[in-house]
Amino acid sequence: DVKVTQSSRYLVKRTGEKVFLECVQDMDHENMFWYRQDPGLGLRLIYFSYDVKMKEKGDIPEGYSVSREKKERFSLILESASTNQTSMYLCASSSPTGLENTIYFGEGSWLTVV
Amino acid sequence: GENVEQHPSTLSVQEGDSAVIKCTYSDSASNYFPWYKQELGKGPQLIIDIRSNVGEKKDQRIAVTLNKTAKHFSLHITETQPEDSAVYFCAASSTRKGSARQLTFGSGTQLTVLP
Repeated sequence: DVKVTQSSRYLVKRTGEKVFLECVQDMDHENMFWYRQDPGLGLRLIYFSYDVKMKEKGDIPEGYSVSREKKERFSLILESASTNQTSMYLCASSSPTGLENTIYFGEGSWLTVV
Repeated sequence: GENVEQHPSTLSVQEGDSAVIKCTYSDSASNYFPWYKQELGKGPQLIIDIRSNVGEKKDQRIAVTLNKTAKHFSLHITETQPEDSAVYFCAASSTRKGSARQLTFGSGTQLTVLP
C-alpha cells in the first residue's frame, strides 16, 4: 500500500512563527502536492512538485513556500504564520507512469495559529 | 482554470436507501474525474474514478456517471450503510507540467446514513 506520512498531526503556533510541515512518501512517486482544506471550500492546491528541486505554484501559493531536496520528502513552509493560515493541510503524491496516475493523500496536519 | 461545483453540501438518507451526489465542471479539457471519501480525522481516500472516454463505471455498491456534453458527473451509492457516512469530494483533472495531474476539488458533501 502507498504510504504518505505527515509527521505532525496537530500543531499550535504563534503569529509570526516560521512553520515547517513535513511529508514523506514511500512509493518513489515523482509528483507531490500540498493542499489546504477548509470547510465549504473543499481542497485547494497550494504547491506541487513534479521532480526533485522542482516546484510549481498552485491556486493559493501566497504566504507559503515549499522545498523538495529529496524525491520522497516534500516540505511546506509558512515563513511567518498568520491566523488566516489556521487550517488542515494535506500532502499527496502520485506517479505519472501508467494509466492510473492516482493521487494518494496523507492523514492531514491540523495547524492552529494563535 | 477549472471550477468544480458540488451539490448537495449535506445529505441524510435512511440505511438501505440510495444516495446521489452531483458535480459540474467548467474546463472541457478535464479528462479524469475521481471521487474521494474522507472519514473523520483521516485524509481523503479514492473510492472510484472515471475517465472521459467512459460514460459509466460501477464497483459493487458505488457507481459514477459522466456526461461530457453537459460537463457533469455523479456518484451513486446504493443500499447505503452507516459506514458510508463521511464527507465525499468530487474532483476534475487535467494534466499539468511534468505530467503532474492536478485535481480541482468540489466543496464536499457530508453524507449521513441514519440507522
